Amino acid sequence: DQQVKQNSPSLSVQEGRISILNCDYTNSMFDYFLWYKKYPAEGPTFLISISSIKDKNEDGRFTVFLNKSAKHLSLHIVPSQPGDSAVYFCAATLTYTGTASKLTFGTGTRLQVTL
Amino acid sequence: DAGVIQSPRHEVTEMGQEVTLRCKPISGHDYLFWYRQTMMRGLELLIYFNNNVPIDDSGMPEDRFSAKMPNASFSTLKIQPSEPRDSAVYFCASSFIQGQNEQFFGPGTRLTVL
Repeated sequence: DQQVKQNSPSLSVQEGRISILNCDYTNSMFDYFLWYKKYPAEGPTFLISISSIKDKNEDGRFTVFLNKSAKHLSLHIVPSQPGDSAVYFCAATLTYTGTASKLTFGTGTRLQVTL
Repeated sequence: DAGVIQSPRHEVTEMGQEVTLRCKPISGHDYLFWYRQTMMRGLELLIYFNNNVPIDDSGMPEDRFSAKMPNASFSTLKIQPSEPRDSAVYFCASSFIQGQNEQFFGPGTRLTVL
């Protein structure tokens, strides 16, 4: 049972435009969400995160939006750059358990930014 | 710091053989995670350790899989016997603050079982 879903396996966006990557989750207990970026032949690297007490978090060109009622989050990249071409993973976790952060990942979305 | 180190980077083996994947976490990190990446299921957590002790191995698919962490700077993931469906990229990750959530990943080991 996939608790974190990224229904778009791929996305193509023109350079300079906005990229919007979507993620849905089913476990309403998740209270912290992260986005990771992965280049070929490398491990994922942390990009941005958001706590469930917020509905938006911004870091430069990257903004994550959280809609708890819809159990949906999105990552906006604006403007998109060719170097943003990568696979993006959404992840979710429960932080109140007092134990280590066990992340549940989605299947990823491959973003291609074209010139 | 060199980051999380994994070896080998690529492994090709035949069905039935034993495979051992290795990981050196970032110095000072006290959590270590093993993940498997496949197209169908994305990144799946297999097992994680805290201070060298296995905390949750519920993601380990079968008894053929085992993981150890004999000390703070080394962990292994072993598959015995290996099967073609084990072909995937295996990642090791580490973190150092409980609740901080950010995990640092190694480059992965691409395993192919023929």
